[in-house]
Amino acid sequence: EAGVAQSPRYKIIEKRQSVAFWCNPISGHATLYWYQQILGQGPKLLIQFQNNGVVDDSQLPKDRFSAERLKGVDSTLKIQPAKLEDSAVYLCASSTKRGWGPQETQYFGPGTRLLVL
Amino acid sequence: AQTVTQSQPEMSVQEAETVTLSCTYDTSESDYYLFWYKQPPSRQMILVIRQEAYKQQNATENRFSVNFQKAAKSFSLKISDSQLGDAAMYFCAYRTGNQFYFGTGTSLTVIP
Repeated sequence: EAGVAQSPRYKIIEKRQSVAFWCNPISGHATLYWYQQILGQGPKLLIQFQNNGVVDDSQLPKDRFSAERLKGVDSTLKIQPAKLEDSAVYLCASSTKRGWGPQETQYFGPGTRLLVL
Repeated sequence: AQTVTQSQPEMSVQEAETVTLSCTYDTSESDYYLFWYKQPPSRQMILVIRQEAYKQQNATENRFSVNFQKAAKSFSLKISDSQLGDAAMYFCAYRTGNQFYFGTGTSLTVIP
């Protein structure tokens, strides 16, 4: 079974530029998560999708971050414009979720490492 | 606000020995779940073990076990018979509803 795929693996941009990250979850997984992991910190949940609908985006900085999951499969996370403090690893995870709880296991992708100069 | 605290930024253990990683959390919820995740260097994060708050029995997965103290809001991870492959960053995490919170992690070194 293929795991969660993310691209690109690395990205370097200058502040005020735009950037987009792509995630392809495990086939059949209904739930998709985007996390931001700043160096030295634990992952911070940005947004959660159930199929193509947003379940929670309370920690997404909506003035510059946006995410979509068209057709309930792949997802894209965009930052526009980027700031220096956006430098982090962006992790995508997916799960089968039929209701949160012990039956849910999140499978993480390798992440995209973003450096904003 | 829910928070997860890991007070040990770094830990080391001799191969084949036992080590315990600490985690405390703050919540006013009664229904929640706790997790330990492992993030090896340059590799994907994977789930090590999980605990349902309503269960009194501590979860166990092979060499990994937890000590869940609900009243104290403590959730420590014990790794027995440590192996070189256990070297990684370990994150404690808490989930309630759609909210998911991670601690800052403990870097575990295994000494041959």
